[in-house]
Amino acid sequence: DTGVSQNPRHKITKRGQNVTFRCDPISEHNRLYWYRQTLGQGPEFLTYFQNEAQLEKSRLLSDRFSAERPKGSFSTLEIQRTEQGDSAMYLCAHERGINNEQFFGPGTRLTVL
Amino acid sequence: AQSVAQPEDQVNVAEGNPLTVKCTYSVSGNPYLFWYVQYPNRGLQFLLKYITGDNLVKGSYGFEAEFNKSQTSFHLKKPSALVSDSALYFCAVRDIGNYGQNFVFGPGTRLSVLP
Repeated sequence: DTGVSQNPRHKITKRGQNVTFRCDPISEHNRLYWYRQTLGQGPEFLTYFQNEAQLEKSRLLSDRFSAERPKGSFSTLEIQRTEQGDSAMYLCAHERGINNEQFFGPGTRLTVL
Repeated sequence: AQSVAQPEDQVNVAEGNPLTVKCTYSVSGNPYLFWYVQYPNRGLQFLLKYITGDNLVKGSYGFEAEFNKSQTSFHLKKPSALVSDSALYFCAVRDIGNYGQNFVFGPGTRLSVLP
C-alpha cells in the first residue's frame, strides 16, 4: 500500500464530456504529481504541486486540462471536452522530503468513446 | 534534459535463472536513479533507488541494481527469477535537486518469467 488513493479507478465517457479525477495522498505538505500513461509506455509528466501551488505544467497539458490542489491535500484533475486521444491511465504520485522516490496511486483508467 | 533508454522491449527468462533488465540514462548533472515495477492495471511500485554510495543497490523482492557511471547504466538484476516477477519494469532518472519534469521514465521492459 503506497498510501495514495485515486478515484474513480475506471471512467468511460463519451467524446465531448467533462471528467474529473481525484487523488488523495497519505499526507499533506509535500509534492504531488500527475502523469499520463498510454498502453506500453512509461508515465509522462503532466503537472506537479508543492503543497497547494502548481509549480510546473507539461506542454502535454492542453487548455482542456486543469488541476487543483486546494489546501495542499487532495488533488483533482479535470479534462474538459474529452477527445478519444485522452484515453489513457492517469496516475497520481506523491513525494516527501528531498529527491526521494515517488509513491504512486493505482491510477484512473479513462476511456473516451 | 534527462532521458532514459531501456533497449529491450521484452525479456524472457526461465524460472530460477538470473535476470537482467537494462537501463541507460543521460543527465546533465549527477543522477538519482530508480526502478519501478507495474503489474497489470496497477500503479507503479517502487523497487529501489541509487543516490550516492555503493554502486550496488539492493531493493524489494530480492532485486538489486548496479550503477555504472562510466557506462551511464543502471541495470536491474535478480539472481533467481520467479514467475511472479513477470511484469512491466520502468527505469527512471532525476537530476539531483530538480523536481517536476525532471523525473523522467523510460519506455519500460516487459519481463516474462517462464515456468
